[in-house]
Amino acid sequence: AQSVTQPDIHITVSEGASLELRCNYSYGATPYLFWYVQSPGQGLQLLLKYFSGDTLVQGIKGFEAEFKRSQSSFNLRKPSVHWSDAAEYFCAVATNRDDKIIFGKGTRLHILP
Amino acid sequence: DTGVSQNPRHKITKRGQNVTFRCDPISEHNRLYWYRQTLGQGPEFLTYFQNEAQLEKSRLLSDRFSAERPKGSFSTLEIQRTEQGDSAMYLCASSHSVGSYEQYFGPGTRLTVT
Repeated sequence: AQSVTQPDIHITVSEGASLELRCNYSYGATPYLFWYVQSPGQGLQLLLKYFSGDTLVQGIKGFEAEFKRSQSSFNLRKPSVHWSDAAEYFCAVATNRDDKIIFGKGTRLHILP
Repeated sequence: DTGVSQNPRHKITKRGQNVTFRCDPISEHNRLYWYRQTLGQGPEFLTYFQNEAQLEKSRLLSDRFSAERPKGSFSTLEIQRTEQGDSAMYLCASSHSVGSYEQYFGPGTRLTVT
């Protein structure tokens, strides 16, 4: 069965600093990978997804993620964070593009002014 | 397009009572998903529909839980004889089975069982 591991429960970075959130997945075949963001009181919003093709995917709000099959990873990056990026971030995997999504436990991002 | 809506947004109930939640998906979306999210965890899949057909149910969906999508539009999730362990955020998402496939999530219904 597929699974997702987000090793960092909390991450704190200063505003303007770069960010990398780690994600490792477990799935035997080619996965469909997602990053979602959840702000307090808000619903889940899709930041970006990887289905196939270029392993570096661009998303909304200046985020990008890189799929590395050899490391079973799909890390999320942003070159310069803004205070409004403070939220919970979920990495997720699916076996098919329209299948149920399996989520990691999330990483809560804190931004220092 | 008003997005996915869920009602109620909050529900407090006593243990043993039945509750029902409603989800209205984006109008042209034929797939509808239910997830449950407990504190400090990511959402966990419960069940999903394509049109009115329920295609998959998680083992998390005990026999106290039932979901319907009678006309392929809105869906209801009922929990009978609620337990304190049912306290969670219940999330609904919808998507179209062609095109972008993106699942759009509603704001959720927060259930508190006292």
